[in-house]
Amino acid sequence: GDSVTQMEGPVTLSEEAFLTINCTYTATGYPSLFWYVQYPGEGLQLLLKATKADDKGSNKGFEATYRKETTSFHLEKGSVQVSDSAVYFCALSDPVNTGFQKLVFGTGTRLLVSP
Amino acid sequence: DSGVTQTPKHLITATGQRVTLRCSPRSGDLSVYWYQQSLDQGLQFLIHYYNGEERAKGNILERFSAQQFPDLHSELNLSSLELGDSALYFCASSVALAGGFSSDTQYFGPGTRLTVL
Repeated sequence: GDSVTQMEGPVTLSEEAFLTINCTYTATGYPSLFWYVQYPGEGLQLLLKATKADDKGSNKGFEATYRKETTSFHLEKGSVQVSDSAVYFCALSDPVNTGFQKLVFGTGTRLLVSP
Repeated sequence: DSGVTQTPKHLITATGQRVTLRCSPRSGDLSVYWYQQSLDQGLQFLIHYYNGEERAKGNILERFSAQQFPDLHSELNLSSLELGDSALYFCASSVALAGGFSSDTQYFGPGTRLTVL
């Protein structure tokens, strides 16, 4: 079945450091890929998405590129802020296996940014 | 603010009891999804409704049931509660596309935190 694998956390960075959170996926066809963010005590917010190979999703300085050849969707940000501290979830929605009926999530990666 | 609302925000109850969680989707969205977030299982899909009709089921226990009403709000009913049901329950909604399909993009509510004592 479909699955998403994320790097283990926590990822601890100093403010203005470069961020990469790795995400790889397994799916039958051409899934849509997402990054969601969960701030402490809050729900899931859609951060960015990409729907086909080589698409780049971007939002609030975060970027991720849909790489079909490596089945990856790594999240990057050039300069993190303390306010970026949160848990980041990579997810996919598969039109073949599930007809976009559900999201399959990774385990989440906690990011801690210190001043 | 995603536009998806969930009530209550917190719920504390005892084992063996029954609770109802409520969700209102974004205006115009026909699809409602329910997810459970727990420390040991992570984020798991429970069930999907589209315009009042059940479309897909995930890892939903028989003690759990859901429905979507004509005004498109949805309720998740959890009965014979056990300690292991303690979790954060999220509702999400998505836009309807032509042909009765749902968009791939889901917007989440703030969640209901259920604690079973």
